[in-house]
Amino acid sequence: GQQLNQSPQSMFIQEGEDVSMNCTSSSIFNTWLWYKQDPGEGPVLLIALYKAGELTSNGRLTAQFGITRKDSFLNISASIPSDVGIYFCAGPGGIQGAQKLVFGQGTRLTINP
Amino acid sequence: DSGVTQTPKHLITATGQRVTLRCSPRSGDLSVYWYQQSLDQGLQFLIQYYNGEERAKGNILERFSAQQFPDLHSELNLSSLELGDSALYFCASSPHGGPYEQYFGPGTRLTVT
Repeated sequence: GQQLNQSPQSMFIQEGEDVSMNCTSSSIFNTWLWYKQDPGEGPVLLIALYKAGELTSNGRLTAQFGITRKDSFLNISASIPSDVGIYFCAGPGGIQGAQKLVFGQGTRLTINP
Repeated sequence: DSGVTQTPKHLITATGQRVTLRCSPRSGDLSVYWYQQSLDQGLQFLIQYYNGEERAKGNILERFSAQQFPDLHSELNLSSLELGDSALYFCASSPHGGPYEQYFGPGTRLTVT
């Protein structure tokens, strides 16, 4: 089945630094979603992307839909302690799995104050 | 707060038992999705219901079943529980049948002893 590969798997940064992470797929996606999950909580939708090349911001977060439609990027500027968590990318499961979301394995962000 | 509610928050039970997890979607949302998240694992799609009918199935075990009621709340039934069923179970909802922009509940943590 389709898989989404996220990198890096984990990041250890200093407060105030900018963060970049990405998600790649072996097949074309027509939607990319980015979620953040805090420990023991449900994922929270951060940004939704629907068009190749689209660049969308949500506060300090910016996400881009890759022009190949096989990747997406999430950037966080000027990180703060509450940015700690796991960031997941997700997309529709493809032609036969179009009714489900496929999730990447996540990027775990840790911030040193 | 996503508007999706799940009960109970925590559940501890013994192997071989049966439990029921409950989910109420956001007001107006017709689709409910169930996911399983094991320790250090990503989100695994189990099943989707749309307006009372099963729409899509993922890696759901035969021991697991779900339904969506006329008031659109959903229940996930897990039977003959095994130690490996211990996980976080999330419900998500979306306004329509497609997999886009799903909003997650806080989850139910199931511990099988």
